[in-house]
Amino acid sequence: SAVISQKPSRDICQRGTSLTIQCQVDSQVTMMFWYRQQPGQSLTLIATANQGSEATYESGFVIDKFPISRPNLTFSTLTVSNMSPEDSSIYLCSVVGTSGVNEQFFGPGTRLTVL
Amino acid sequence: KQEVTQIPAALSVPEGENLVLNCSFTDSAIYNLQWFRQDPGKGLTSLLLIQSSQREQTSGRLNASLDKSSGRSTLYIAASQPGDSATYLCAVSGSARQLTFGSGTQLTVLP
Repeated sequence: SAVISQKPSRDICQRGTSLTIQCQVDSQVTMMFWYRQQPGQSLTLIATANQGSEATYESGFVIDKFPISRPNLTFSTLTVSNMSPEDSSIYLCSVVGTSGVNEQFFGPGTRLTVL
Repeated sequence: KQEVTQIPAALSVPEGENLVLNCSFTDSAIYNLQWFRQDPGKGLTSLLLIQSSQREQTSGRLNASLDKSSGRSTLYIAASQPGDSATYLCAVSGSARQLTFGSGTQLTVLP
């Protein structure tokens, strides 16, 4: 399994500001994803973070709002831009393991509250 | 578009009971299916993964089955314990390995 860390673990931000979340993996992985979990709901995929190229966004998510970087195979960032209270969620990164069975592992999440 | 449904939404059982959580999905063209556990305020812990060609997987007191043609999976928990209390999430993987999640079953095991 992969060990994934995220920073920050939680933050409280003001409306209109931006927050960058970091995801670090202890080994090189090909596939990395960003998910959002809104209060009381399940997880929704935001985008696939592609190393060396632009992220692939799901319907309803756009690059201007959620810019993603992936400079190498162990690190990615997600920025939540121009935040509003509706962005209050847990943001999680995940990776597909390298064992060959394509098991997906998740980071501990970043709990974001926007006032 | 893939949709995943989990029944029941919540379940409360006395310690020691065997229980079954249900998951259904609308598109049978899945790559694999994963069951996760989420404790309050925490991330997700992978419990079991079933490849699309497999029928079941077992880990300790947990057994997951998959009937891809009918779009169903079950998670069986034997001899439940209070420490099993958590939200259990079912997720199916598409060809690009992206996961579609169900809404979860919140399990409470009473001592």
